[in-house]
Amino acid sequence: DAGITQSPRHKVTETGTPVTLRCHQTENHRYMYWYRQDPGHGLRLIHYSYGVKDTDKGEVSDGYSVSRSKTEDFLLTLESATSSQTSVYFCAIRGDSIAEAFFGQGTRLTVV
Amino acid sequence: GIQVEQSPPDLILQEGANSTLRCNFSDSVNNLQWFHQNPWGQLINLFYIPSGTKQNGRLSATTVATERYSLLYISSSQTTDSGVYFCAVERNTGNQFYFGTGTSLTVIP
Repeated sequence: DAGITQSPRHKVTETGTPVTLRCHQTENHRYMYWYRQDPGHGLRLIHYSYGVKDTDKGEVSDGYSVSRSKTEDFLLTLESATSSQTSVYFCAIRGDSIAEAFFGQGTRLTVV
Repeated sequence: GIQVEQSPPDLILQEGANSTLRCNFSDSVNNLQWFHQNPWGQLINLFYIPSGTKQNGRLSATTVATERYSLLYISSSQTTDSGVYFCAVERNTGNQFYFGTGTSLTVIP
């Protein structure tokens, strides 16, 4: 299994509070991604990173920010959580010469 | 973005039956992967198959890139095959994967 760890695995938070999700990899892969999964939508990309301090937006980036200060960590921040951000969040990684992506176990976030 | 359509959306099989899942995509792609999401939510890599045919045990996949579709075959289905099967495509390495909405498979004993 690819070495990807997401934390926390479950979180309940209140509307308006900041939340940070962490993705940690031990594979030294260049590319890292954050997706959200919602019923009827499959997985949709929020943000991705193609190197340290290099990030770009995906199709559902509003309300989210990311940071990547070192290769192994990719942080997803909800500055002010809303109920529409209740979802399951997945991190994925991929190497430079490896086209296959691998996913973490997911983080279930509930905003009440 | 690329539109990815999977069919059927839902499938119920008797254990031992065979099935074919389809993924159509709207543009040329360099990469295509099939995933199985098990009942615990974990996404498991099945195939990386931008073109051609691959087999792994009871599962096989074929991608015809020129006609913009991929097929996933499941033979002699087992209850452990239950879950959601996703197809994901992308144009160039490093860009985003575009996911279909999945096929939900239930295998009954």
